[in-house]
Amino acid sequence: QSVLTQPPSASGTPGQTVTISCSGSSSNIGSNYIYWYQQIPGTAPKFLIYRNNQRPLGVPDRFSASKSGTSASLAISGLRSEDEADYYCAAWDDSLSGYVFGTGTRVIVL
Amino acid sequence: EVQLAESGGGLVQPGGSLRLSCAASGFTFTTYWMSWVRQAPGQGLEWVANVNEDGGERYYVDSVRGRFTISRDNAKNALYLQMNSLRAEDTAVFYCVRGFDGKYAFDLWGQGTMVTVSS
Repeated sequence: QSVLTQPPSASGTPGQTVTISCSGSSSNIGSNYIYWYQQIPGTAPKFLIYRNNQRPLGVPDRFSASKSGTSASLAISGLRSEDEADYYCAAWDDSLSGYVFGTGTRVIVL
Repeated sequence: EVQLAESGGGLVQPGGSLRLSCAASGFTFTTYWMSWVRQAPGQGLEWVANVNEDGGERYYVDSVRGRFTISRDNAKNALYLQMNSLRAEDTAVFYCVRGFDGKYAFDLWGQGTMVTVSS
């Protein structure tokens, strides 16, 4: 059972901005960095955002993220067809002494 | 090339055992935390277990603690997951992943190996 809650889906047309929320608690998002992963169906996940809002090398600056309190969000601007994928937030949970993923959000490009 | 390659998945009966292996290459294995993450068919990601650089520190998700054991052989650049008392709900693709920021994230994923628990 995930302790980080995301909306099941989000959609937009090419060029639009889509925002995905991630809600947690004081033991995970509230006290640790948040990370984001992208998973194109049928493939392994890809590292997308680290330490709340940093992009690994090779990740386009169309992807941005932020964190406030016990919530976080990921924004995809200039939406492209190749952005159609599942997106997961994640963080270490101090109470569980374990890593927790969000429930996942399917981004659909209309 | 930097990569992780899992092996050892397959079909096993409930109550059975299976050992997954992960071969790491292209990076200094001994300087990274390593983890296993799984994904049940049509479901989201679930972290399973991780181990620190020298194998002395390990964490498990509650649902596998006492049944699964994560280990590593730094001389062979290999990560393992011994799975005992398998249940139908353990059916999933298991990914070997490299740690980032210590145990706090994963920056390199293998292609995954499928484990099916069924009679």
